[in-house]
Amino acid sequence: DAGVTQSPTHLIKTRGQQVTLRCSPKSGHDTVSWYQQALGQGPQFIFQYYEEEERQRGNFPDRFSGHQFPNYSSELNVNALLLGDSALYLCASSLKSGGRTEAFFGQGTRLTVV
Amino acid sequence: GDSVTQMEGPVTLSEEAFLTINCTYTATGYPSLFWYVQYPGEGLQLLLKATKADDKGSNKGFEATYRKETTSFHLEKGSVQVSDSAVYFCALTYNNNDMRFGAGTRLTVKP
Repeated sequence: DAGVTQSPTHLIKTRGQQVTLRCSPKSGHDTVSWYQQALGQGPQFIFQYYEEEERQRGNFPDRFSGHQFPNYSSELNVNALLLGDSALYLCASSLKSGGRTEAFFGQGTRLTVV
Repeated sequence: GDSVTQMEGPVTLSEEAFLTINCTYTATGYPSLFWYVQYPGEGLQLLLKATKADDKGSNKGFEATYRKETTSFHLEKGSVQVSDSAVYFCALTYNNNDMRFGAGTRLTVKP
């Protein structure tokens, strides 16, 4: 079982550009959540996808958007990048019908905006 | 809204010392509680969890008990090792929806 895999591991973008980050969930999981972790802080919830639809959203602007594919993998897109978007982006997968089972996190994508 | 507050670090201990990292929560319902660990340059790994009041989660010598009366979930280990050096996050969630994390506590264990 490969667990949750994210790509790329590191990325450098210029302010104003757009970026796409990818996540493959753990085998058997159907729900993907994305988190932003700024340096020295705890992760902040961006949004969650289930059945190819955004089901919940945290306090992030519309520049942050996502997608979930039929195979449950997901993408996070960020438009018009700002310096403040520099962070570790974490993907977590879980099973919607799993009740109180835990979410599994990927290793993250380190995004640097210059 | 629901939130988690954990003890500020950094925490520096000598090998074999006793560890406590405090975590308290504010919740409108009855969430599940978690401790995650993050090693340098890596993502989050689940350390332990508890899904209801009075449950004790344990793993690798770490323990935490879900205390509804004090809204706490303090992490403890009787004898830390150098390899335990990492950042520890307390978190809560309802059915793996919006997970709320504390700010993290950095632990350094010296030989």
